[in-house]
Amino acid sequence: GEDVEQSLFLSVREGDSSVINCTYTDSSSTYLYWYKQEPGAGLQLLTYIFSNMDMKQDQRLTVLLNKKDKHLSLRIADTQTGDSAIYFCAERTDSSYKLIFGSGTRLLVRP
Amino acid sequence: GAVVSQHPSRVICKSGTSVKIECRSLDFQATTMFWYRQFPKKSLMLMATSNEGSKATYEQGVEKDKFLINHASLTLSTLTVTSAHPEDSSFYICSARELGAGYGYTFGSGTRLTVV
Repeated sequence: GEDVEQSLFLSVREGDSSVINCTYTDSSSTYLYWYKQEPGAGLQLLTYIFSNMDMKQDQRLTVLLNKKDKHLSLRIADTQTGDSAIYFCAERTDSSYKLIFGSGTRLLVRP
Repeated sequence: GAVVSQHPSRVICKSGTSVKIECRSLDFQATTMFWYRQFPKKSLMLMATSNEGSKATYEQGVEKDKFLINHASLTLSTLTVTSAHPEDSSFYICSARELGAGYGYTFGSGTRLTVV
């Protein structure tokens, strides 16, 4: 079955790097995503990675994928207070277009 | 970029009444739309997958007769919560997959439903 897990909470100082981790179980995942959700709002796509890639960098965001361990991480460089939000990882498998979401990691950035 | 408009953003209704939530893709055609439910401080739970012109596919445990989904056009899907009860109070979010797009899913801004 499909299962996606994340740690629930992360607290960092402004200016530090944040690393949010995610593990998934379905080895047939094709795309893996990171979404950001601010209070009372919908989800904003931050970045995604295709399963044949190991790393993707986009400005302050770096995604690392270890397909062997089914581990995905999101690194945010120079974390700002505006980055405080809930971050969800999600996987999509080849067999359907459904996204399966992790439980979300609440990131708190301290001034 | 792709935009999905979801209305209303917030609704309060009385127990026993029905509420309709709209999800509209503004600048693209969405062959598939998804409806999620989110409990406070919890993840998104997929309720159903809606394909234009056909019946929705519901996830296990989701009552079809209670959560009616209609996807009448390539730009509009609606979720109707029928005979709402306080336990239906939740945050409902739709997302749309663009026709021909590889990876892309665009989310609406969500609807906060409170049943009193």
